[in-house]
Amino acid sequence: RKEVEQDPGPFNVPEGATVAFNCTYSNSASQSFFWYRQDCRKEPKLLMSVYSSGNEDGRFTAQLNRASQYISLLIRDSKLSDSATYLCVVNGPGTASKLTFGTGTRLQVTL
Amino acid sequence: NAGVTQTPKFQVLKTGQSMTLQCAQDMNHNSMYWYRQDPGMGLRLIYYSASEGTTDKGEVPNGYNVSRLNKREFSLRLESAAPSQTSVYFCASRTGTLVNQPQHFGDGTRLSIL
Repeated sequence: RKEVEQDPGPFNVPEGATVAFNCTYSNSASQSFFWYRQDCRKEPKLLMSVYSSGNEDGRFTAQLNRASQYISLLIRDSKLSDSATYLCVVNGPGTASKLTFGTGTRLQVTL
Repeated sequence: NAGVTQTPKFQVLKTGQSMTLQCAQDMNHNSMYWYRQDPGMGLRLIYYSASEGTTDKGEVPNGYNVSRLNKREFSLRLESAAPSQTSVYFCASRTGTLVNQPQHFGDGTRLSIL
């Protein structure tokens, strides 16, 4: 089983749609969680951290379910500029641990 | 406002040649990382340095060496390049002193081995 698993997509949605991405992780001791965005041939950039109580940043909502070892990202009112690959990222316990990246879910928003 | 700087941005090598990819960060981060990214494979960790003076292997270390030159700089060396090492290489850094801190990435080095 991969440490971090994501549906690769692609998700093709019309502008204005709501889309949700899911991610599961295998290490129950994982301590912190992130969503990154990666545009084609560019470096990954932090989209948002994921907190235990869930958190929102504008049109983006992240949820964490520790019992099920599951993370989600909801994008409301999709824009053309949201087209990218979204990476689920999990950090193990301890300050010196490594982040483990999922392979990403590709989103294409169309007119 | 540089963040993480990688050089070079592009490089073409012949099989068997050697080269060093450079990475420097100006955020006073303790931890630094080297990844490679291939189509359909996602980011794979090559080596990392949790703090100055330490380095550890990641998921795919074979064929690579690293040097944590000081707190700012972390270089990746290919001693004898092989076509299988054609990839995009990303360097990243992180504070390393707090748990819930993300990584910050450089804009990558695109390396082709002929």
